[in-house]
Amino acid sequence: GAGVSQSPSNKVTEKGKDVELRCDPISGHTALYWYRQSLGQGLEFLIYFQGNSAPDKSGLPSDRFSAERTGGSVSTLTIQRTQQEDSAVYLCASSLDSQSLNEQFFGPGTRLTVL
Amino acid sequence: AQSVTQLDSQVPVFEEAPVELRCNYSSSVSVYLFWYVQYPNQGLQLLLKYLSGSTLVESINGFEAEFNKSQTSFHLRKPSVHISDTAEYFCAVSDRGSNYKLTFGKGTLLTVNP
Repeated sequence: GAGVSQSPSNKVTEKGKDVELRCDPISGHTALYWYRQSLGQGLEFLIYFQGNSAPDKSGLPSDRFSAERTGGSVSTLTIQRTQQEDSAVYLCASSLDSQSLNEQFFGPGTRLTVL
Repeated sequence: AQSVTQLDSQVPVFEEAPVELRCNYSSSVSVYLFWYVQYPNQGLQLLLKYLSGSTLVESINGFEAEFNKSQTSFHLRKPSVHISDTAEYFCAVSDRGSNYKLTFGKGTLLTVNP
């Protein structure tokens, strides 16, 4: 079956512009996660959804970052007024649910470059 | 808060040599432990995990890792590597109290040379 998909695969934007990153989880997966991978750093947890609710937003780096999920499926991560330090690979993952230790399946990521 | 240390950012080895990728985590509370692998131009894939029970866990492609609670370590080993094992390997940990949140190390790039 189809895995987690993300779009776009690459995004180049100018400082100050807003960007939207999209994640399509595996069908039937109720939990969805966003991570950020900066150059030379490990993956950094940003936010997770159980259904359409986001019980933990603690990893969002600033109020310029927001995310939503609709219909228990697609999620978008929005970065407003992008800065150069936002340049990174943004990874999305999904799992059957977040209550048990189900494997998180990762998408290929969106590489964001802020000029 | 949890932190994960992967001491080696790069590990070059020759084919058929043994390898150990080191991973230490910070907290002594009950944890779940994972190794993820990222092959060139591919997404992250789960390699193996420790949830409970036997402290030695194995993957289908010959890797193994041992949970050592006293040393807070979860080192990854393979007795004989192949060219196809070339990839970046990430160690991750989650607290049993908030098991949805994975904390990752910075990764170790394993390069297997002929």
